[in-house]
Amino acid sequence: EAQLLESGGGLVQPGGSLRLSCAGSGYMFSAYSIVWVRQAPGKGLEWASAISAAGGSTFYADSVKGRFTISRDNSQNTVSLQMNSLRADDTAVYYCAKSEKYAAEFWGQGTLVTVSS
Amino acid sequence: SALTQPPSASGSPGQSVTISCTGTSSDVGGYNYVSWYQQHPGKAPKLMIYEVNKRPSGVPDRFSGSKSGNAASLTVSGLQAEDEADYYCSSYAGRDKGVIFGGGTKLTVL
Repeated sequence: EAQLLESGGGLVQPGGSLRLSCAGSGYMFSAYSIVWVRQAPGKGLEWASAISAAGGSTFYADSVKGRFTISRDNSQNTVSLQMNSLRADDTAVYYCAKSEKYAAEFWGQGTLVTVSS
Repeated sequence: SALTQPPSASGSPGQSVTISCTGTSSDVGGYNYVSWYQQHPGKAPKLMIYEVNKRPSGVPDRFSGSKSGNAASLTVSGLQAEDEADYYCSSYAGRDKGVIFGGGTKLTVL
């Protein structure tokens, strides 16, 4: 069964850093893009960052550009999201999802990031 | 800018309900990459429709999608209690904006 598992969430102070990981299994991980979609408490979805299958192409929403960095290691079937200069409005559940043709085909269970002093 | 969805929709079991998603010629109207997601409380979203009207394996054919101009729609036929959830549309909006979402519609099965 194909699945994705996020880890690395937690409580961090404003201005701090956090690194999220997304581990894939049960499918050809290296053949597909991965996207990070976040959802602030009680709010809608935001396509925050994405990376192509080989890692050569990346996308960042304006809200995270310059602060977040996405990368992948296909030998380990993992994608990472390095988040720096975190702000209160980055507080959200972060989901990673397998992406194809600009749709998030299936999702992990999510990891909560809380930015607060 | 986000796509526009009605905040709520409702229908009785067995009825049909349609949820709209309005964008612009730069997103919904410009690409056939409209998707719809279902999210139950406390759960991760689930893809229900992609590329305007295609259903992933396992999604009941009670769910259908369409598009006309700058607006897309999700129709749920034969409403069932388990269809009660939040529904989000999304659309590709070009290389700079990536994928944008609607604000979500809470579907209530009466």
